[in-house]
Order: sequence, then C-alpha cells, then structure tokens
Amino acid sequence: DAKTTQPPSMDCAEGRAANLPCNHSTISGNEYVYWYRQIHSQGPQYIIHGLKNNETNEMASLIITEDRKSSTLILPHATLRDTAVYYCIAVNSGYSTLTFGKGTMLLVSP
Amino acid sequence: NAGVTQTPKFRVLKTGQSMTLLCAQDMNHEYMYWYRQDPGMGLRLIHYSVGEGTTAKGEVPDGYNVSRLKKQNFLLGLESAAPSQTSVYFCASRPMTGVGEAFFGQGTRLTVV
Repeated sequence: DAKTTQPPSMDCAEGRAANLPCNHSTISGNEYVYWYRQIHSQGPQYIIHGLKNNETNEMASLIITEDRKSSTLILPHATLRDTAVYYCIAVNSGYSTLTFGKGTMLLVSP
Repeated sequence: NAGVTQTPKFRVLKTGQSMTLLCAQDMNHEYMYWYRQDPGMGLRLIHYSVGEGTTAKGEVPDGYNVSRLKKQNFLLGLESAAPSQTSVYFCASRPMTGVGEAFFGQGTRLTVV
C-alpha cells in the first residue's frame, strides 16, 4: 500500500469549509484513496473513497489531483460534530488489510 | 441491522488473567479485523481473517490469539494479560469483493492492572 502523509492537526471555524490534504506520491494505478474519521473514543467511520475522479456524497467531497499524487477531503460546512481524527489510506481494491497512520486531528471551533 | 457488535464494552483484568473479546457482524462479510489503539496513536492491526476458518497475523500479534469458527464471529483471546495490553480494541468487517468500506464496532476498553 502506498504511504500517505497528512498534517498532524488543522483548525476550522464552524460553518466554513474544511479542506484536509493528503499526500500519496507513490500511489499505484490500481490503488484507491479512502478516508475515514474517528470521533473521540468511537470506532472509525467510513467517509468516502475514489480512484481518479472526484467524488461527492452526503458527508464530503474528495478531490484527487490529475497525477493522483495527492488528494483533498472537503467538508463543505464544518460543524462542531466534525471534530475528529481524519485518516487517509491508499489501498488496492479487494485489499485484505487496512493500515491506519496517525491522521489529521481536525478541530472545529465556534 | 446491528452492524458490528463488540462484547464486552469495558473490562478490567488482573495481570495473568485470560479473557476473550467477541466481535459479531450481521452483514455476511468475509473479512474481519482486530485493532488496538493506544492513547494518542493510530490503530494497529493485531490479527485478521479473510474467511471462516482462516486467520492471519497483523502488525502487533504477540500475546493474542484469534479464532473464526463462524463467519459472523471473530474472537480475540488474551491468554495471560499484561499491563502493556491495556488499550481500546476495535473490531471491523468488510466484504471481500469490490471496494467496500470497513465497518467498525464501538470498541472494548480493556484495563490490565
């Protein structure tokens, strides 16, 4: 699996967009980018994933650069409940294991 | 549809005691995982299973054993608990095919004194 690099922490004002970057410069052509988040003391929660096209769902948008070496998770209108650790992971489809790094701690403030 | 259920949610053990953590999923998923998470750290994979009757070691398997006798259950055993095994344990499952996401349980907080 490709190594991913994320900033350790970010701040965002409530109601503003939160843009969380992830670098995956060694990603291979068949590796997907997955995002999970973990709200304090809870189990991780799936957010979104993508291969090369931008993706959007009810929780977030995922923007992947054309060269696929980096991506950005966008929470369009952050709320206090979005305060969590966000993990970016690159894996092949049909992966058997999922390896978590340290992620980005997003703090949404009033 | 309960998803992934972990039992128990909390437990305090004395050093040297044994216990089994149960993970149950009702989504007919082939893959199941056990992770541990220590304060301020990410999740580390202990063991995983790609199907009934199969298990494999993850990143930190020492001191743990697992069994997957039924597809819906994945058991994590501690034969002789040590204080270093104080942690929060998370179970997860996912389907084998495609790019399906993993579903996690709510965790078991284990303290070994």
